[in-house]
Amino acid sequence: DAGVIQSPRHEVTEMGQEVTLRCKPISGHDYLFWYRQTMMRGLELLIYFNNNVPIDDSGMPEDRFSAKMPNASFSTLKIQPSEPRDSAVYFCASAASENQPQHFGDGTRLSIL
Amino acid sequence: AQRVTQPEKLLSVFKGAPVELKCNYSYSGSPELFWYVQYSRQRLQLLLRHISRESIKGFTADLNKGETSFHLKKPFAQEEDSAMYYCALGGTGRRALTFGSGTRLQVQP
Repeated sequence: DAGVIQSPRHEVTEMGQEVTLRCKPISGHDYLFWYRQTMMRGLELLIYFNNNVPIDDSGMPEDRFSAKMPNASFSTLKIQPSEPRDSAVYFCASAASENQPQHFGDGTRLSIL
Repeated sequence: AQRVTQPEKLLSVFKGAPVELKCNYSYSGSPELFWYVQYSRQRLQLLLRHISRESIKGFTADLNKGETSFHLKKPFAQEEDSAMYYCALGGTGRRALTFGSGTRLQVQP
């Protein structure tokens, strides 16, 4: 298995633009997680899905952020409109069950100018 | 509520010295503890989970329920151990793994 695949690896865009981050979980994993990592706040859970259904989105910072999982093999995290304070590394992870080890993707390094 | 505390942001040791990265947790149920490692600009990787009771890259961690701790230890640090280490707690309920704030380990030559 190629592991969790995220795209793009890097994204640089101007504030106000829409940003879409993509994630392909490990096949057979029922859980998918989106995290944000910054120097100031460390690793923060944004949202997670179980069987494509959002379970806990309390970590999503505000309405500008949205996440979807249309099928078991694909998820998106969208920011619209983007702001400079959204600059961070966004990780996607998947797991076979809620308390099983999470397998992380390489992350998307997002820079909003 | 679940909480993971890693009191040290940075731990700097010399090569060959023992290492202990501290992790304390707060959880009312039966905990599931993990250590993840993140090398420079790489993805987080699972290092250890307490139920496996194994040693990976010379690291071990023992769950101490009395002290609610899951400290990560290595008797002789190597330069390649330099990385960010995250302790994580699993439990029942709607919330998934709770990560600590991380400790950066610097192993100097």
